[in-house]
Amino acid sequence: QKEVEQDPGPLSVPEGAIVSLNCTYSNSAFQYFMWYRQYSRKGPELLMYTYSSGNKEDGRFTAQVDKSSKYISLFIRDSQPSDSATYLCAMKGTDKLIFGTGTRLQVFP
Amino acid sequence: NAGVTQTPKFRILKIGQSMTLQCTQDMNHNYMYWYRQDPGMGLKLIYYSVGAGITDKGEVPNGYNVSRSTTEDFPLRLELAAPSQTSVYFCASSYRGGAKTDTQYFGPGTRLTVL
Repeated sequence: QKEVEQDPGPLSVPEGAIVSLNCTYSNSAFQYFMWYRQYSRKGPELLMYTYSSGNKEDGRFTAQVDKSSKYISLFIRDSQPSDSATYLCAMKGTDKLIFGTGTRLQVFP
Repeated sequence: NAGVTQTPKFRILKIGQSMTLQCTQDMNHNYMYWYRQDPGMGLKLIYYSVGAGITDKGEVPNGYNVSRSTTEDFPLRLELAAPSQTSVYFCASSYRGGAKTDTQYFGPGTRLTVL
């Protein structure tokens, strides 16, 4: 079993839709949870960072962590074509960052 | 403040050739990392460094070598290139210590093809 599982997509939605991206994990030692956004042919950039369980909101983006279910989510409200990218979840305990495989999102006008 | 820079952007190698991928950061980060990204496989850690003079293996170190002589630079060396090393390589850096969140900042990547 992989430590972090993420649906690769692709996910195609119309502009304005609410997008939900998810990851599951198996290591209960993970405490730090991140979402990176990666545009085509670019390096990943940090989008959201959450410590432990709960929600965190930043503009149109909300990150949610449920440690009891070992499940994290990223919600994008009012999605825009500029949100089209690959979204990678990442998490760590006290050691190395472990990445999901990424979900490719396409938002069409 | 350029962040993390990588050179070259693209490279084609023949089987058995060697090359060095360059990585430099100007954020005074203590940690630096090398990842490879293959389609559908996510980011795999090759090597990392916790500071100048200290390096350690990641998940997929075979066929690669690194050195860290300065805080800023962390080159990745490929010896005897093989087709299995065709990938996109990303360098990243972060600061660990105190209350910092250890956010990793990535370079733009080097696309390597081995034929």
